[in-house]
Amino acid sequence: AQSVSQHNHHVILSEAASLELGCNYSYGGTVNLFWYVQYPGQHLQLLLKYFSGDPLVKGIKGFEAEFIKSKFSFNLRKPSVQWSDTAEYFCAVRAGNNRKLIWGLGTSLAVNP
Amino acid sequence: NAGVTQTPKFRILKIGQSMTLQCTQDMNHNYMYWYRQDPGMGLKLIYYSVGAGITDKGEVPNGYNVSRSTTEDFPLRLELAAPSQTSVYFCASSYGDRGKETQYFGPGTRLLVL
Repeated sequence: AQSVSQHNHHVILSEAASLELGCNYSYGGTVNLFWYVQYPGQHLQLLLKYFSGDPLVKGIKGFEAEFIKSKFSFNLRKPSVQWSDTAEYFCAVRAGNNRKLIWGLGTSLAVNP
Repeated sequence: NAGVTQTPKFRILKIGQSMTLQCTQDMNHNYMYWYRQDPGMGLKLIYYSVGAGITDKGEVPNGYNVSRSTTEDFPLRLELAAPSQTSVYFCASSYGDRGKETQYFGPGTRLLVL
């Protein structure tokens, strides 16, 4: 069965530290890849997405992610986090032409000021 | 555009009661989805719809029903509420060619069943 794995369940960083959140999926064909963010008490918002083309994708708020097909990975990065980045981050994958998304369990990020 | 709106924001139900969670989108999206989010469990798809009059089950449909009579509305019905249905419910909508869609989420409904 297809699955999405987010390795870090809880991450604590200080402001200005660099961030990398892992996301791996199990599907050998064409994929669409997404990172969503959920700020405390709010709904999910799209951070960035990959459909095709340049595997390095830039999103909102200084986030970026790199699709590495050989590693089945789509890791999220930010060079310098801020307190306002405290949130839960979800990776999601669409396999082939399937309409449904497969979701990771999320990573909770806490940034200390 | 208001995007995806959900009502109510919060509700407490007694076991066995029923209720309808409302979801409306004003983006003319064909596809709509209902998820539940439990702590540490990510999002689970309950039901989805590819257009008015068409619905299909997701991963966890038991205990829920949906209908899609218009493009805009996709209500979720709980007939006999159970404590296991305590969760946060998110509605989402999307558009685009198959395999090229992006889902946009509503603010959620927090449901507590006692």
